[in-house]
Amino acid sequence: NAGVTQTPKFRVLKTGQSMTLLCAQDMNHEYMYWYRQDPGMGLRLIHYSVGEGTTAKGEVPDGYNVSRLKKQNFLLGLESAAPSQTSVYFCASSYSGTPETQYFGPGTRLLVL
Amino acid sequence: KNQVEQSPQSLIILEGKNCTLQCNYTVSPFSNLRWYKQDTGRGPVSLTIMTFSENTKSNGRYTATLDADTKQSSLHITASQLSDSASYICVVTGQAGTALIFGKGTTLSVSS
Repeated sequence: NAGVTQTPKFRVLKTGQSMTLLCAQDMNHEYMYWYRQDPGMGLRLIHYSVGEGTTAKGEVPDGYNVSRLKKQNFLLGLESAAPSQTSVYFCASSYSGTPETQYFGPGTRLLVL
Repeated sequence: KNQVEQSPQSLIILEGKNCTLQCNYTVSPFSNLRWYKQDTGRGPVSLTIMTFSENTKSNGRYTATLDADTKQSSLHITASQLSDSASYICVVTGQAGTALIFGKGTTLSVSS
């Protein structure tokens, strides 16, 4: 099993550009999550999904959209990137909600100029 | 406000020595507490998970303790190795179905 994979690993964007981050898991997990990690701060939840076709807002959802068209994939979109969205983005998945353990992907490093 | 505070922020120890990392939380009601290890450039990996009824949980050289009354947890690393160099993150969950509250992490450096 590959676990949780993320594409791309690194990306540079100009302010105003759009992009989509892809997360894929092969563990048949129902729940999937997108976090961002910034220096000096803990991981913060952007959006999450409790199953195929569902999405919900997390702690910092503004400026991001998500879609879960297939159970194994969770997409994070930035419609108009801003420098404040420079961060490392982590996707995670879990079999169900808490207290199930979340399994994290390797991260996507995004730089917005 | 639900918060998770970790100390120290960073720590340097010699290979073979023991160390203890601290986590204090104000999350209430409390469901469970996890410790994650995050290597540089990688995603976090779960080390232990404890519910309010558990006081101690071990995973190899890692031992986590929990005092739900004082809302404190610690992670003890025995006979440290160079591969223990990483960030250790304390994560607390409230009632089932609520979001996880992440601490900022303690950065541990083990030197030879």
